[in-house]
Amino acid sequence: ETGVTQTPRHLVMGMTNKKSLKCEQHLGHNAMYWYKQSAKKPLELMFVYSLEERVENNSVPSRFSPECPNSSHLFLHLHTLQPEDSALYLCASSQTWTWGLYNEQFFGPGTRLTVL
Amino acid sequence: DAKTTQPPSMDCAEGRAANLPCNHSTISGNEYVYWYRQIHSQGPQYIIHGLKNNETNEMASLIITEDRKSSTLILPHATLRDTAVYYCIREYRDDKIIFGKGTRLHILP
Repeated sequence: ETGVTQTPRHLVMGMTNKKSLKCEQHLGHNAMYWYKQSAKKPLELMFVYSLEERVENNSVPSRFSPECPNSSHLFLHLHTLQPEDSALYLCASSQTWTWGLYNEQFFGPGTRLTVL
Repeated sequence: DAKTTQPPSMDCAEGRAANLPCNHSTISGNEYVYWYRQIHSQGPQYIIHGLKNNETNEMASLIITEDRKSSTLILPHATLRDTAVYYCIREYRDDKIIFGKGTRLHILP
């Protein structure tokens, strides 16, 4: 248990569906992250939020839409995805956004997404 | 580009020390080195980090060379539960971090 939870753990969706991934952290952290992990590829940072403001968008297609309503919750809204978007989507949090001492990231278990 | 180099895989006998190397020859003076691991089907887990000095915690030891161009993560008494992919990561100046492909460590019974 890392203090970061993600729901659902598994999701299958068609290309025309709209779905959302949810992440919640119980650590009192101020920064939250979305990562994508495709098969046989390294983890890719998608979005970073610090104090509910988006501070990083790593050239992610607009069919992925993040939302951070408060410092404990992070959503990833999905619409008109492609089969190549099938991957493990990981959420993480850290004390602050700027890396340094005591800023290690705590990861959730991930959502395994399959796009048909 | 992760800008760190790690062997793709390593084997270690259970109960022995696992020594995982990482090359970060272009690291700058104020960049930390972080180590994470990812057990199959789970999110990455923080292990340890360091700047210049060697570090030790309850999970592992981190040995950083004097010129800071490489480091070694040491798991002192490897168990089967240590089978995972281990990532060596540089902290970037602009606060981005990039995970490379890591080292897949197999602990052999």
